[in-house]
Amino acid sequence: GAVVSQHPSWVICKSGTSVKIECRSLDFQATTMFWYRQFPKQSLMLMATSNEGSKATYEQGVEKDKFLINHASLTLSTLTVTSAHPEDSSFYICSAGTRERNTGELFFGEGSRLTVL
Amino acid sequence: AQKVTQAQTEISVVEKEDVTLDCVYETRDTTYYLFWYKQPPSGELVFLIRRNSFDEQNEISGRYSWNFQKSTSSFNFTITASQVVDSAVYFCALSGDAGKSTFGDGTTLTVKP
Repeated sequence: GAVVSQHPSWVICKSGTSVKIECRSLDFQATTMFWYRQFPKQSLMLMATSNEGSKATYEQGVEKDKFLINHASLTLSTLTVTSAHPEDSSFYICSAGTRERNTGELFFGEGSRLTVL
Repeated sequence: AQKVTQAQTEISVVEKEDVTLDCVYETRDTTYYLFWYKQPPSGELVFLIRRNSFDEQNEISGRYSWNFQKSTSSFNFTITASQVVDSAVYFCALSGDAGKSTFGDGTTLTVKP
């Protein structure tokens, strides 16, 4: 099956720093990527949708200036948490879809656990 | 708007018992996909099944089976002869035309030896 890889799988940073998380589709071209956030013992909440070559669409309540999303190529999307604070500590998961496989299936990365001290 | 409801927050069973995880969904899309994922303590999402809205056939995969009832907007998941390794959080999800997935709140399954 298709593979989506996230990096880093976990990161610890100091408050006020910025952290970049990468999401790569390894064997297919991802025309659309989705970023989710999951707080402990909670469900996955969609943060934003990114389409290759265009601006991301953010869900209501998600600060686009704080969570910068770039989808510059068909195999890579990045999420940058700017000026991270402890409340941004969470599990961030990306998923990727493609028009090539019109099955509605999305492929999820392994997730990145962010801890802000 | 899409909505997925997993009414069971936590379920605890003893090994070898059968267990059913409920999932009820709401959507206005005529074409949609339903998923079940397993999330073990390590955090990654493990894909279990995808079903599109036009395929109401039930499916069995080993000890896992799924019952899709469009009339009741339900997509329930049954584990037969549960094992300790089945302990995890299970998410039901719905994906519509736009491709975005809406997840239920998850059901934490604990299988005791």
